[in-house]
Amino acid sequence: RKEVEQDPGPFNVPEGATVAFNCTYSNSASQSFFWYRQDCRKEPKLLMSVYSSGNEDGRFTAQLNRASQYISLLIRDSKLSDSATYLCVVSDGGFKTIFGAGTRLFVKA
Amino acid sequence: EPEVTQTPSHQVTQMGQEVILRCVPISNHLYFYWYRQILGQKVEFLVSFYNNEISEKSEIFDDQFSVERPDGSNFTLKIRSTKLEDSAMYFCASSEAMTDTQYFGPGTRLTVL
Repeated sequence: RKEVEQDPGPFNVPEGATVAFNCTYSNSASQSFFWYRQDCRKEPKLLMSVYSSGNEDGRFTAQLNRASQYISLLIRDSKLSDSATYLCVVSDGGFKTIFGAGTRLFVKA
Repeated sequence: EPEVTQTPSHQVTQMGQEVILRCVPISNHLYFYWYRQILGQKVEFLVSFYNNEISEKSEIFDDQFSVERPDGSNFTLKIRSTKLEDSAMYFCASSEAMTDTQYFGPGTRLTVL
């Protein structure tokens, strides 16, 4: 089983759509969870941290289910500028951070 | 807003040559990381560094790789004898605390010919 596994994508959605990304992780001792976005040939940039209580930042909502080892990201009212690759990132609580392969999102007008 | 910087932005080298990639982490950060991303593939952890020593390294980080913090601001990745398969984007990152958000530099694109 891959350490961090994401929906393979790509997701093609119209502007205004709601889109959900899923991620699972294999290490039950993982401590910290994040969603990053990466534009083509650019560095990953933090979108949001993910907490067990769930958290929301504007149009973005992240959820963590430790029992199922599952993380999700919901984007509401998609914008053209949301087109990017979304990376699920898990830290083992030590010094190692694992990235998922990413899910590509295309938002079209 | 403070940011991580990396130099050079693009490095071209011949196979077998040594390269040094440089990073300046955010000034109050204590944890430093190197990652690589081969074109079209996922971001891969190479090494983490804290308190002037390697904290963790991946299986990719073999004897040809080394890291150093030569002064109070720079953090370097050295590849001793580059191979064609070392061609990738190399990202440096830093964080304030161990489980904290990591901030990435813009990357150095390494091309090995």
